[in-house]
Amino acid sequence: DTGVSQDPRHKITKRGQNVTFRCDPISEHNRLYWYRQTLGQGPEFLTYFQNEAQLEKSRLLSDRFSAERPKGSFSTLEIQRTEQGDSAMYLCASSSFAGSSHNEQFFGPGTRLTVL
Amino acid sequence: AQSVAQPEDQVNVAEGNPLTVKCTYSVSGNPYLFWYVQYPNRGLQFLLKYITGDNLVKGSYGFEAEFNKSQTSFHLKKPSALVSDSALYFCAVRRLANNNDMRFGAGTRLTVKP
Repeated sequence: DTGVSQDPRHKITKRGQNVTFRCDPISEHNRLYWYRQTLGQGPEFLTYFQNEAQLEKSRLLSDRFSAERPKGSFSTLEIQRTEQGDSAMYLCASSSFAGSSHNEQFFGPGTRLTVL
Repeated sequence: AQSVAQPEDQVNVAEGNPLTVKCTYSVSGNPYLFWYVQYPNRGLQFLLKYITGDNLVKGSYGFEAEFNKSQTSFHLKKPSALVSDSALYFCAVRRLANNNDMRFGAGTRLTVKP
């Protein structure tokens, strides 16, 4: 399967613990996005990368959240000192961007985080 | 800032009947508009998009959507619904000049009954 993959699919953690999620985008895509989705809502933009550069972060992304894409391929999203309000589905998406093209984003299956 | 409204939380239709899932948007400037579908335990799947050109856009699985600038709407339609179309549908908008920030609606759950 050459789609976007995310690992793990589910994560249960205790409040105060750190968690890290991984996203592997479609190989030829240079843009990678992170979203958060809570029940009954659409995905909310968190941050995105073009190659290895993190170009924008939403105000939703508190200081406890950090994302990296060190080699311009896979990305990690870390949440430090988790809170119950962090419980959500974390979605990763990727797209290709070249010049003025505006291509659709392809989404992974998501990582469901439950903070107890 | 751009935003999307999906006024119906749920839409129920009988198999074989036409379906419409509504979406209205608010954006400064020209919009990019998208429809995605989400099946249980799966990621969002792209259905179709409007960038420019013809107001009627055709997409995957027989779906189409009509861009109406005066009504700021982008309703999703299908002439004949299938039970397998039952899923959660999301409309999204992105400003033409902004490639990164895509705003999604809250979603509409479509149920197609046999």
